[in-house]
Amino acid sequence: EIVMTQSPATLSVSPGERATLSCRASQSVSSNLAWYQQKPGQAPRLLIYGASTRATGIPARFSGSGSGTEFTLTISSLQSEDFAVYYCQQYNNWPLYSFGQGTKLEIK
Amino acid sequence: QVQLQESGPGLVKPSETLSLTCTVSGYSISSGYYWGWIRQPPGKGLEWIGSIYHSGSTYYNPSLKSRVTISVDTSKNQFSLKLSSVTAADTAVYYCARDDSGSYIGWGQGTLVTVSS
Repeated sequence: EIVMTQSPATLSVSPGERATLSCRASQSVSSNLAWYQQKPGQAPRLLIYGASTRATGIPARFSGSGSGTEFTLTISSLQSEDFAVYYCQQYNNWPLYSFGQGTKLEIK
Repeated sequence: QVQLQESGPGLVKPSETLSLTCTVSGYSISSGYYWGWIRQPPGKGLEWIGSIYHSGSTYYNPSLKSRVTISVDTSKNQFSLKLSSVTAADTAVYYCARDDSGSYIGWGQGTLVTVSS
């Protein structure tokens, strides 16, 4: 089983600033990694797949990078609607998937 | 636009079987894609339960495999989840989702299932 570990658990950032979220895999997942955003009471929304490709309709301020075991989600200039919980998910071990435990992005 | 909607009982007794159905609209399950179930205990993270292909091939989380059955009914454009011998630890919001080459591109709104006597 591939274990996904996200850090930090909570990140406090001011609007307009940059946020950097990390995700680490217990073994290489190549570029088979996705990021999701989840707001309270809502289903997750796909932001990034293939480690760095934005999903349809996702603003350019969201970017993903990394490969192998280390990945980063960067939000370049935080908007009020970006404060949410973010999850990474590996799908390299297809069809057995696993999610990270999430990072809560809160307003500073 | 593909839409997914979960349905089923919101309350299940301990030791019984949880049964949920996901109805897909805007796309024929028979045309392809894998379809999955994911759950989220209150205040916690996401847990992948399993996936099914339109042909009926299934894949399950090893930690749940002994209790999970996922099936598909292409005539109704639905797929279903059964989880047996439930306990309070199975209380969660259950989501169905469309798997697009590994990432979940479309999700249902989720349905809360509480395990309690």
